[in-house]
Amino acid sequence: NAGVTQTPKFQVLKTGQSMTLQCAQDMNHEYMSWYRQDPGMGLRLIHYSVGAGITDQGEVPNGYNVSRSTTEDFPLRLLSAAPSQTSVYFCASSANGLKNTEAFFGQGTRLTVV
Amino acid sequence: AQRVTQPEKLLSVFKGAPVELKCNYSYSGSPELFWYVQYSRQRLQLLLRHISRESIKGFTADLNKGETSFHLKKPFAQEEDSAMYYCALEGGTGFQKLVFGTGTRLLVSP
Repeated sequence: NAGVTQTPKFQVLKTGQSMTLQCAQDMNHEYMSWYRQDPGMGLRLIHYSVGAGITDQGEVPNGYNVSRSTTEDFPLRLLSAAPSQTSVYFCASSANGLKNTEAFFGQGTRLTVV
Repeated sequence: AQRVTQPEKLLSVFKGAPVELKCNYSYSGSPELFWYVQYSRQRLQLLLRHISRESIKGFTADLNKGETSFHLKKPFAQEEDSAMYYCALEGGTGFQKLVFGTGTRLLVSP
């Protein structure tokens, strides 16, 4: 019962480098989302997807791209990393994304941009 | 604007003592409210949601619209309750967009 799997768990990037944070779920959930968590702040929504081929922006989308080519995967891309993107990133999924459905979270990716 | 405030970063109690984790929210409509918990070395998981009016692991939370609060309570804390607790709000229409508080670390000592 893997649930939501994020890779890598830890990553250090240099400013300007690009990388992709991977997120996969095996629960056949339609809805997936990415959050970031910074010190002293709650989780903030970056992007979300309501199904394969459909994505939309959350509260803090700048500097991030997403795509959803399959139901299972929802990668988050940083095209040119900046120190301000140092954070812990969480991927989540829920059955249909409707209000009051439970969100299942991955274990997080701790990203440091130097 | 939607906002969730958890005023305490750390709440330290002894085993058997009552616990109240505070959560206040700002939202003009009728929100859906949740408590999520993260135990050490585990992932964030749902503890309870107000619409279910349930008690999970002895915890309850009542939505008080007059005070815009959704405090989490347990009459007798256990050591295994030690964790990070996040209050979250879901407002508006459409799809799930959770707004989280900054979290409160609960430490239950023997």
